[in-house]
Amino acid sequence: QVQLAQSGAEVKKPGASAKVSCKASGYTFTGYYMHWVRQAPGQGLEWMGWINPHRGGTNYAQKFQGRVTMTRDTSISTAYMELSSLRSDDTAVYFCARDRLQLDWRITTPQNVMDVWGQGTTVTVSS
Amino acid sequence: DIVMTQSPDSLAVSLGERATINCKSSQSVLYSSNNRNYLAWYQQKPGQPPKLLIYWASTRESGVPDRFSGSGSGTDFTLTISSLQAEDVAVYYCQQYYYTPALTFGGGTKVEIK
Repeated sequence: QVQLAQSGAEVKKPGASAKVSCKASGYTFTGYYMHWVRQAPGQGLEWMGWINPHRGGTNYAQKFQGRVTMTRDTSISTAYMELSSLRSDDTAVYFCARDRLQLDWRITTPQNVMDVWGQGTTVTVSS
Repeated sequence: DIVMTQSPDSLAVSLGERATINCKSSQSVLYSSNNRNYLAWYQQKPGQPPKLLIYWASTRESGVPDRFSGSGSGTDFTLTISSLQAEDVAVYYCQQYYYTPALTFGGGTKVEIK
């Protein structure tokens, strides 16, 4: 079945970077955009950006521009999200989520609806 | 960015009764060219990732029970659970996907059993 398996929890010091992985299985990794969404403790959902796993193109929320980098390794069907210059308010659960729309020769942009989610990765920023 | 405002923040409903959650966007998410509302609903149970329930404001995702329905257009939307079941206890979020790439979610509505 379609699954997204994320890497384990991380504890980082302020100013460090965190890199979360998201391994896809059960579908063609390059056929769907991948989004990243975070959720601070007891808070709502915040969209961070997406990556096109086929071409590698990215689109980041303005809030994270300059601090976030989304990459992928198609050989192992894995997407990555790296957040740098971590602050205490970056403490959150980070989710990868597949875009609902399958890409083909006509469809090259995401629908921006997320139909499959990873289990989440907790990143704690603390001195 | 488009602000999505949900109400109420929480509600308690008896089993078998109707639950209604509202979502209001600060700008219209209706695209006139295709007459579609770019609005989705998600359910998040404690300790779990969100689950897609509805997109295009009223289209149920495959496998979602038909007691969940979405309605509304433009700036005002509603998620209705027609007969609340115990497994529906969760936080529900709306999300607009009209104004890209700045996708935004509502603050969430917590549904509990009365």
